[in-house]
Amino acid sequence: GQQVMQIPQYQHVQEGEDFTTYCNSSTTLSNIQWYKQRPGGHPVFLIQLVKSGEVKKQKRLTFQFGEAKKNSSLHITATQTTDVGTYFCAGPATSGGYNKLIFGAGTRLAVHP
Amino acid sequence: NAGVTQTPKFRVLKTGQSMTLLCAQDMNHEYMYWYRQDPGMGLRLIHYSVGEGTTAKGEVPDGYNVSRLKKQNFLLGLESAAPSQTSVYFCASSYGGNYNEQFFGPGTRLTVL
Repeated sequence: GQQVMQIPQYQHVQEGEDFTTYCNSSTTLSNIQWYKQRPGGHPVFLIQLVKSGEVKKQKRLTFQFGEAKKNSSLHITATQTTDVGTYFCAGPATSGGYNKLIFGAGTRLAVHP
Repeated sequence: NAGVTQTPKFRVLKTGQSMTLLCAQDMNHEYMYWYRQDPGMGLRLIHYSVGEGTTAKGEVPDGYNVSRLKKQNFLLGLESAAPSQTSVYFCASSYGGNYNEQFFGPGTRLTVL
């Protein structure tokens, strides 16, 4: 079945270092969404990418959607302790019913001050 | 504007007991979703609804039932709880389908002994 895979599963960095998480889909996606979940919290929507090769920035966060629309990445420049949490990518299901998202397993980011 | 609310926040059940988790949203969203989150497995869709009176199965529907009698409410039922259903349950809602962000509730932590 359709899969959305994220790597790495876990990463810890020193504050100020950069961080990147990668998302790969087994199928071509019409769009991809990114969410952040703080420890003990709930997922919160960050951004959606729709176009092939699209790049969007939110302050220190840069999101990219691959040319083939099968992969995406989130890059954080100069991490801060407020970046701690788990980052999920999600793509729309392409079979077995629509109007639903398939989430990756997430990348958990720890930032050491 | 409370967004998405879930009750209860915590619950402990014994194997074989039943319970209902309530999700309510005040954003007039058509779509509502129930996910479970287990360590290392991301968010897995249990059931979802694309409008009042409709429900559909997600990735892991076995052992759960749902109802959407009112647009603002989405109920998740466990008829005979099993230890494998120990998890954190999140409800989410969205205005439309896959091109719309999902808003998540705070979650319910369920332990089945």
